[in-house]
Amino acid sequence: GEDVEQSLFLSVREGDSSVINCTYTDSSSTYLYWYKQEPGAGLQLLTYIFSNMDMKQDQRLTVLLNKKDKHLSLRIADTQTGDSAIYFCAERGSGTYKYIFGTGTRLKVLA
Amino acid sequence: GAVVSQHPSWVICKSGTSVKIECRSLDFQATTMFWYRQFPKQSLMLMATSNEGSKATYEQGVEKDKFLINHASLTLSTLTVTSAHPEDSSFYICSAREVLGDATNEKLFFGSGTQLSVL
Repeated sequence: GEDVEQSLFLSVREGDSSVINCTYTDSSSTYLYWYKQEPGAGLQLLTYIFSNMDMKQDQRLTVLLNKKDKHLSLRIADTQTGDSAIYFCAERGSGTYKYIFGTGTRLKVLA
Repeated sequence: GAVVSQHPSWVICKSGTSVKIECRSLDFQATTMFWYRQFPKQSLMLMATSNEGSKATYEQGVEKDKFLINHASLTLSTLTVTSAHPEDSSFYICSAREVLGDATNEKLFFGSGTQLSVL
């Protein structure tokens, strides 16, 4: 079945860039998403990218997609302490409304 | 983005009682909503897909008689944990699917979650 993998932890210093990586197995994935979850809260949609795109930039966020390697990354520029959270990537295939979520990456930003 | 309201945020109940959790899409209509369960430091586990006006679709291993889902309107889905036991204690999250135009332009918005503790 489909699988989405992420590294569990990432620690960066305030002001540095963070890069969170995600790999997926479903080659029919058409839509890929990044969500942020703060403690005790639901998930907040940060950004998304279609499979026909290589890159998408939205303010401090840059999403890179390598469709050949089935690799997705989220870069956060000038990381702030408020960015500390769990980040989930998710994929959805064309013609389905089911989302497959990754395992989540816990980002800790050190002051 | 669109807003999904989930209530209550937390609930403590005695073993054997039932608990109802509500999920509302406040500024859009959602024919499809999803219910997830999340254990500490783990990803979301999809429990069921809630379809407006029809029966929910449950994932394998999820007891439909234990977790009752009702999606009676385009803006409200409810999850009732019946005869709750301590092993049902968990963080439950709902999401609602917003579709603008065709299915290529859709997003999933999440409620803030409900922490259920069964004593």
